[in-house]
Amino acid sequence: NAGVTQTPKFQVLKTGQSMTLQCAQDMNHNSMYWYRQDPGMGLRLIYYSASEGTTDKGEVPNGYNVSRLNKREFSLRLESAAPSQTSVYFCASSEFRYEQYFGPGTRLTVT
Amino acid sequence: GNSVTQMEGPVTLSEEAFLTINCTYTATGYPSLFWYVQYPGEGLQLLLKATKADDKGSNKGFEATYRKETTSFHLEKGSVQVSDSAVYFCALSAGTASKLTFGTGTRLQVTL
Repeated sequence: NAGVTQTPKFQVLKTGQSMTLQCAQDMNHNSMYWYRQDPGMGLRLIYYSASEGTTDKGEVPNGYNVSRLNKREFSLRLESAAPSQTSVYFCASSEFRYEQYFGPGTRLTVT
Repeated sequence: GNSVTQMEGPVTLSEEAFLTINCTYTATGYPSLFWYVQYPGEGLQLLLKATKADDKGSNKGFEATYRKETTSFHLEKGSVQVSDSAVYFCALSAGTASKLTFGTGTRLQVTL
């Protein structure tokens, strides 16, 4: 049972490049989330999907887009990367009103 | 809006010392409260939770009690080990979609 998986683990981009972070869960959860973690800031919610077919903005959505491809998969896209998007990105999933399960993270550096 | 405040770190303790990490919250309604732990290079793992006032969450020797009157959820452990060295996050979930609001995290370093 893999839980929540994320790819890639590490990525270096140049300013202006685009990329998609992939996330998949095998727990049949309805809700999925994308967070970014920055030193001294804790985790901040970028986007979430309460159920398949729906997505909503979180606290820091600017510069990102998401796609809930199906119940298992939730991707995060950076269309034009900026140095301010250097961070560690975590995907999580949950069943409504229950705890969230986190993936191992993607460490992204934008130069 | 919702917010979580936890004590600044790092917290450095000797093995077998008593641990307290303070956490207070502001929320509308009746939130669920969580402690997550992040070991170096890993994602967050749920440590314990409490879903209503006066509930006590416990796991691996850690405990926290949901105190509505003081809006607090302090994490305690009677005797820490080197393997407890990690970053600890207090979080709350309120309203729809089970969105989590996190504190900034407290780094714990336990030495021999």
